[in-house]
Amino acid sequence: KNEVEQSPQNLTAQEGEFITINCSYSVGISALHWLQQHPGGGIVSLFMLSSGKKKHGRLIATINIQEKHSSLHITASHPRDSAVYICAVKASGSRLTFGEGTQLTVNP
Amino acid sequence: EAGVVQSPRYKIIEKKQPVAFWCNPISGHNTLYWYLQNLGQGPELLIRYENEEAVDDSQLPKDRFSAERLKGVDSTLKIQPAELGDSAVYLCASSSDRHTEAFFGQGTRLTVV
Repeated sequence: KNEVEQSPQNLTAQEGEFITINCSYSVGISALHWLQQHPGGGIVSLFMLSSGKKKHGRLIATINIQEKHSSLHITASHPRDSAVYICAVKASGSRLTFGEGTQLTVNP
Repeated sequence: EAGVVQSPRYKIIEKKQPVAFWCNPISGHNTLYWYLQNLGQGPELLIRYENEEAVDDSQLPKDRFSAERLKGVDSTLKIQPAELGDSAVYLCASSSDRHTEAFFGQGTRLTVV
């Protein structure tokens, strides 16, 4: 069992839909990251969370430390949101452990 | 402020040849990471530096991979000799001691033919 598990692995949505990507982890963490990766591109950090909820534009990230679970929400999705979304947790020291990513495709 | 800079962006080499990747982290960031990312998978840590010291290299295949971070700033990752299975994206990231957020470079996409 991976330390970080994401669901779903693949997600296809229509433009305008509300999207949720989930991340569960099995270790104690100091921080959780949500990252975005476009094809052929590098990784962009969307959020870093240690508790509660953060919002940036149409993106919302929440974390429940007790349940070891985080969600990334996209409101009013757009085709340009199509990318791989990766959850990563920072446990002991500075090591980041990554989930396998969720491939999101938003169709016009 | 410039982000993490990696070069080259793309590299195609024949198997058994050597290859090197370069990373310039964000200024002032003491922690530098090299990750390998295979298609459709999340990144996997190869090596982590705190300043010039490699503090976590347990996942680095030391028979063919090597890395250095002279003066605790720029870093190079080398593969010699490259194998077909080394084809992947190699990502560099850096973070400050004072913050836990890591910033990533654009990656180097290696294709071994």
